[in-house]
Amino acid sequence: AAGVIQSPRHLIKEKRETATLKCYPIPRHDTVYWYQQGPGQDPQFLISFYEKMQSDKGSIPDRFSAQQFSDYHSELNMSSLELGDSALYFCASSAGVRTGELFFGEGSRLTVL
Amino acid sequence: AQKITQTQPGMFVQEKEAVTLDCTYDTSDPSYGLFWYKQPSSGEMIFLIYQGSYDQQNATEGRYSLNFQKARKSANLVISASQLGDSAMYFCAMRERNLIFGKGTKLSVKP
Repeated sequence: AAGVIQSPRHLIKEKRETATLKCYPIPRHDTVYWYQQGPGQDPQFLISFYEKMQSDKGSIPDRFSAQQFSDYHSELNMSSLELGDSALYFCASSAGVRTGELFFGEGSRLTVL
Repeated sequence: AQKITQTQPGMFVQEKEAVTLDCTYDTSDPSYGLFWYKQPSSGEMIFLIYQGSYDQQNATEGRYSLNFQKARKSANLVISASQLGDSAMYFCAMRERNLIFGKGTKLSVKP
């Protein structure tokens, strides 16, 4: 069965650079979530989209933006990268906003030097 | 206020023994879901088990079972017959709209 696809799996950037992470949800899933997990931390909710509209906003920095496109894939754009942005970024998808399981991708590991 | 509390930062269990990982939650929403995820050192987030707030029976999935005590707001994970491959971080999570994670419990299975 198709799973949530994230790309790239690994990314190395310098401070003040920009980075874009992509997420392809499971087919027919209409809701996408982004999470950030720092080293030794629990995943923190950043932002979610339902039917291409922002659904909820968590602890996403102003330097970050995200959107969901017409084919339901989503992109997380991160600018003016800081050392503290080094983390594992997860995308998850679900069918519907409130119900059911969130299926996670394998994550994109961002390292900022 | 912390919505999901996992009080055990780390736990050890002997191979083939059962282990219980604790989780308590806080919500005033009557409709919610409770999840357990396993995160091995490779980093992926693996779904283990789900319990809906209206489910009458405790959820089970193979060697995993969820001890759901609604009045006490607890959702403990029981792993039976532990295996060396069960060594990982385990996160309890609650879904109201989005998934909120606890701090996790690092489980180490000893041979």
